[in-house]
Amino acid sequence: KQEVTQIPAALSVPEGENLVLNCSFTDSAIYNLQWFRQDPGKGLTSLLLIQSSQREQTSGRLNASLDKSSGRSTLYIAASQPGDSATYLCAVLYNFNKFYFGSGTKLNVKP
Amino acid sequence: DAMVIQNPRYQVTQFGKPVTLSCSQTLNHNVMYWYQQKSSQAPKLLFHYYDKDFNNEADTPDNFQSRRPNTSFCFLDIRSPGLGDAAMYLCATSREVVAGGLETQYFGPGTRLLVL
Repeated sequence: KQEVTQIPAALSVPEGENLVLNCSFTDSAIYNLQWFRQDPGKGLTSLLLIQSSQREQTSGRLNASLDKSSGRSTLYIAASQPGDSATYLCAVLYNFNKFYFGSGTKLNVKP
Repeated sequence: DAMVIQNPRYQVTQFGKPVTLSCSQTLNHNVMYWYQQKSSQAPKLLFHYYDKDFNNEADTPDNFQSRRPNTSFCFLDIRSPGLGDAAMYLCATSREVVAGGLETQYFGPGTRLLVL
């Protein structure tokens, strides 16, 4: 059974810190991995998509890495801002068009 | 702008009274998903359509049904809502680009369902 785990469940940091969010998955036969942001009571916004053949993707202050062999992905946020406060979820795509989600890391960036 | 639209954004229903949630997309994506998300939990896939092919998750209760009359629209029907069905319901779309590969999922804003 494919399982996706995110640690930590919650994280509080002062503004300006660089931080790393972790995502691990049990089955390495993935097609891609996607990081999302979710604000309270809202839908999910896609941040980065990494194909299985890629090692990392970057968008602005965000950098996501993928290590299939170890079943891990990290989301690096540089110079965090209060506006980054949200829940961050990773989702792994296996075959049959199904995405498996982690339960998320709730990030609070304090001014 | 191309997008995924969900209506209504908030829905209040009574215990046992059928309710329908709707999702539409202007992305012309062939895959559409319905997820249930409860507070502080991961989105849970209920079912998805690959083109017209319906794929139900094994643990999705029979109380939940879906219809996809055309590429753009998809409906979630809850036949007899219980208190435990109160949740955020998220619709998402994606497009197959190569065999077995999908592009980014695009999510709608969700419908929050309250059951009284």
